Amino acid sequence: DAGVIQSPRHEVTEMGQEVTLRCKPISGHNSLFWYRQTMMRGLELLIYFNNNVPIDDSGMPEDRFSAKMPNASFSTLKIQPSEPRDSAVYFCASSPMLGVSTEAFFGQGTRLTVV
Amino acid sequence: AQTVTQSQPEMSVQEAETVTLSCTYDTSESDYYLFWYKQPPSRQMILVIRQEAYKQQNATENRFSVNFQKAAKSFSLKISDSQLGDAAMYFCAYRRQGGSEKLVFGKGTKLTVNP
Repeated sequence: DAGVIQSPRHEVTEMGQEVTLRCKPISGHNSLFWYRQTMMRGLELLIYFNNNVPIDDSGMPEDRFSAKMPNASFSTLKIQPSEPRDSAVYFCASSPMLGVSTEAFFGQGTRLTVV
Repeated sequence: AQTVTQSQPEMSVQEAETVTLSCTYDTSESDYYLFWYKQPPSRQMILVIRQEAYKQQNATENRFSVNFQKAAKSFSLKISDSQLGDAAMYFCAYRRQGGSEKLVFGKGTKLTVNP
């Protein structure tokens, strides 16, 4: 398997623009996580899905952020409108149901810069 | 809510020496998993080692070992015979057992290996 695939690797956008980050989890994994990493706040969980259903979105900072998982092989994280404080590295991770394995497997992240 | 604390923002070690990274966590659960992830400059999150809370024996993976003290809620990582390639950010993480649970991360420790 190719692992968790995120696109794009880098994104530079202007304030006010819509940004969409994409993630393809490892085939067969039931859980998908979106994390945001900044120097100040470290790794923050934004939202996670289990079997395509959002389980906990309490980490989504505000209504400008939304995430979808229309099927088991694809998820998106959208920011609209984007702001400079959204600049960060966004990670997607996937995991099989606990009992099969315990750790989450991470993609290489998307570095977002909002200017 | 579970929290993970890494009290050492930065550590350094001489090549071939041993270094220990600290991690404490707070939980009321009795069954859970603990992890150490490594993030090199490539920013890929790589699992280093995992520990199941029900196991008393400390996990070991080659040069990496943990000191798991359940009562003290402490989970330190020891790196023996440090190599230049060990230089990275190291994150301690907690995951509750049961269903598909999120990983909660500490803020990380930056490890420098001096030649």
